[in-house]
Amino acid sequence: NAGVTQTPKFRVLKTGQSMTLLCAQDMNHEYMYWYRQDPGMGLRLIHYSVGEGTTAKGEVPDGYNVSRLKKQNFLLGLESAAPSQTSVYFCASSFADRQFFGPGTRLTVL
Amino acid sequence: GENVEQHPSTLSVQEGDSAVIKCTYSDSASNYFPWYKQELGKRPQLIIDIRSNVGEKKDQRIAVTLNKTAKHFSLHITETQPEDSAVYFCAASKSGGSNYKLTFGKGTLLTVNP
Repeated sequence: NAGVTQTPKFRVLKTGQSMTLLCAQDMNHEYMYWYRQDPGMGLRLIHYSVGEGTTAKGEVPDGYNVSRLKKQNFLLGLESAAPSQTSVYFCASSFADRQFFGPGTRLTVL
Repeated sequence: GENVEQHPSTLSVQEGDSAVIKCTYSDSASNYFPWYKQELGKRPQLIIDIRSNVGEKKDQRIAVTLNKTAKHFSLHITETQPEDSAVYFCAASKSGGSNYKLTFGKGTLLTVNP
């Protein structure tokens, strides 16, 4: 039982490049979330999903897109990366209110 | 939307002392309040949570209290140990239906000195 996993662990992009972060969970959770963590800012919700095929905007959605084609996967896309998107990205999943986090992806945009 | 404020931002204690971290929330409809511990370079891990129908919850050396009237809740760690050193985050949610979004505080860096 791997819980919540994230791919990749680290990535360096140049401004304007695109990439997709993958989150996978094997707990059959309905709800999935993407957060970004910046120093002194806590965790801020980017997008979330309440079930397969559904997505919704969180607190800081600009510059990101998401898809939830399969219940176990939640993808976060950056179409044109900007230095302001340098951050640590965490995925989480939940059955109800208790959220469980993945190990994170450290993204640097040069 | 919900706003969660957390204090202090840093806290340094001697091993064996108690540590208290406080959070306030703005939305009186919030009903779920978890606490997460994050060690350096690791993922946030849920350590304790409380729902609005109880005022206090304990789990060994950690406890959380909730004052709904004042809209604040606190994490208490007794007999602190060096391995308690980490960043602690509080969060709040209007949990229910299909809504389980969390709003986090900005975190407290706890250092336990041996």
